[in-house]
Amino acid sequence: QVQLQESGPGVVKPSETLSLSCTVSSGSISNSFWAWIRQPPGRGLEWIGHVHDSGITNYSPSLKSRVTMSVDTSKNQFSLTLSSVTAADTAVYYCAKEVLGATGLIQSWGQGTLVTVSS
Amino acid sequence: EIFLTQSPATLSLSPGERATLSCRASQSVSSYLAWYQQKPGQAPRLLISDASNRAPGIPARFGGSGSGTDFTLTISSLEPEDSAVYYCQQRSKWPYTFGRGTKVEIK
Repeated sequence: QVQLQESGPGVVKPSETLSLSCTVSSGSISNSFWAWIRQPPGRGLEWIGHVHDSGITNYSPSLKSRVTMSVDTSKNQFSLTLSSVTAADTAVYYCAKEVLGATGLIQSWGQGTLVTVSS
Repeated sequence: EIFLTQSPATLSLSPGERATLSCRASQSVSSYLAWYQQKPGQAPRLLISDASNRAPGIPARFGGSGSGTDFTLTISSLEPEDSAVYYCQQRSKWPYTFGRGTKVEIK
């Protein structure tokens, strides 16, 4: 079973850029879709988007203008950047692996990392 | 965007009782509907894929049914460890979306 671990700053200032990485272990990052999902404190889950190691990306329409995702196969990592953050972007951010052949179905999740937007 | 409406918002039942959770989609998602369980402080865990397929390691008391716009997650006999929030999620059309969740409380 693949293991996922998010890393990045826990606090980001308003208007700045949030950057997170997800390290994949016990498995290859190739030939899979990798997702970012977030959860504001006390609320439900929201898809941010996903990225394939081939370069294919899909982003949530509500975040599309501010989101970039990429894969670094040499490091077995994928990443998320979210620009111009506001307090509404405060959330636990999860990285996840989609099931091969079942795009959009999440079998493996990272533990999640809380990112707080605050000055 | 496909909206998923889950009901009820909260379900309070005793151990051994049957829990029935509903998820209704704003348009057909065929069978591309999954259910996840989330306990406090933990990442979600996949329970059911494609409406009715139990994920590996999931106890047989969890069952899913439905297609099109109406789906049900049934927990046949509640155990104390089933206390959690349950989310449905569609992967029929981008953007993939989650419902707002049903909280199951064990009396």
